[in-house]
Amino acid sequence: GENVEQHPSTLSVQEGDSAVIKCTYSDSASNYFPWYKQELGKRPQLIIDIRSNVGEKKDQRIAVTLNKTAKHFSLHITETQPEDSAVYFCAASIVGNEKLTFGTGTRLTIIP
Amino acid sequence: DGGITQSPKYLFRKEGQNVTLSCEQNLNHDAMYWYRQDPGQGLRLIYYSQIVNDFQKGDIAEGYSVSREKKESFPLTVTSAQKNPTAFYLCASSPQVLHTEAFFGQGTRLTVV
Repeated sequence: GENVEQHPSTLSVQEGDSAVIKCTYSDSASNYFPWYKQELGKRPQLIIDIRSNVGEKKDQRIAVTLNKTAKHFSLHITETQPEDSAVYFCAASIVGNEKLTFGTGTRLTIIP
Repeated sequence: DGGITQSPKYLFRKEGQNVTLSCEQNLNHDAMYWYRQDPGQGLRLIYYSQIVNDFQKGDIAEGYSVSREKKESFPLTVTSAQKNPTAFYLCASSPQVLHTEAFFGQGTRLTVV
């Protein structure tokens, strides 16, 4: 089955700097890659996703890049703000299969 | 915020007892999921259901059981066979279309003593 690895497990950045979280996946048939943000004590919520037919997607300060050949995808957060502090999860799934496999999470801390 | 509701938020049980966690959604979603969240291990899939009266095992199904008798409901039973049941359990749902957002409940923290 699919295996998703996520790095780093913890990340601290100065407010205003950029943060990058990386994930790799094992199944080359995977073609949907969402990112979820979980604030302390709250439920995970989708922040951005990408499908395998594109290499990059942006939404304001957040962007995701996908390298299908290398089987890795990354989340980029620019101009970080204190409210970006949370745990971020990447995930992968295969078309036609509703099973979503998550990475182990990255705890991002923004230092004021 | 509504949509998908888990109850209770905190649950305590004695070792050896079965316990059922509730998950209800009013989003008209076909697919529902149960995940277990442990520190440093992310979200691990226990069971998922793509349609009423059908469900599939996830990566860590041993010691758990589910039912999907209604579209809105997907209860999870943690049985005495589960070796380490103390954890945070998250239920989610999504439309039965090609890969859209999964909506999560608030979670249930189960403590077995």
